[in-house]
Amino acid sequence: DAMVIQNPRYQVTQFGKPVTLSCSQTLNHNVMYWYQQKSSQAPKLLFHYYDKDFNNEADTPDNFQSRRPNTSFCFLDIRSPGLGDAAMYLCATSRGRGGGITDEQYFGPGTRLTVT
Amino acid sequence: AQTVTQSQPEMSVQEAETVTLSCTYDTSESNYYLFWYKQPPSRQMILVIRQEAYKQQNATENRFSVNFQKAAKSFSLKISDSQLGDTAMYFCAFGGAQKLVFGQGTRLTINP
Repeated sequence: DAMVIQNPRYQVTQFGKPVTLSCSQTLNHNVMYWYQQKSSQAPKLLFHYYDKDFNNEADTPDNFQSRRPNTSFCFLDIRSPGLGDAAMYLCATSRGRGGGITDEQYFGPGTRLTVT
Repeated sequence: AQTVTQSQPEMSVQEAETVTLSCTYDTSESNYYLFWYKQPPSRQMILVIRQEAYKQQNATENRFSVNFQKAAKSFSLKISDSQLGDTAMYFCAFGGAQKLVFGQGTRLTINP
């Protein structure tokens, strides 16, 4: 089945140790998103790609970076994780224009990041 | 900036009952979409239903329907004949010119 895949599902990293989360999709969608979701809170958009066009949210910390080497893959890099970065990280895709205002977003299962 | 408010942090109903989840939003945009997403425990978020703001007719998807009141900026979700599998976190979301904005969610539990 076509889907959005996130690896790993659980990631433990140490305070200050760089970590990379990955997302892949078989939907051939133009847009890929990264959200941060803390416990019992709404997902918060970090950034998105429309094709190779990167769009950063104004309040996304510089500590968070992203790469999209091709249509199928997108990575979230956290350069120096702090305790406050512990969260579920959700990857999503949509067909259309960045922002996905009209299109359904398809979500991956998420990666739960723990910072020790 | 758009805001989305879900005033019911938690709800609980018996199986087969009907339940309504509330959502209000604030925007100055005229063209937008509204969504309800479902996030079951330990599973991925999926779209439940979508409403185009320019359509007066309320969207329905099987047991799920919305009551869209554009003037009041209200977008509630009604689940009929609730099932155990409906237990999940439900997020109302606003899709405007910029991005998808989520409400804080309502944790819905369906009891047997």
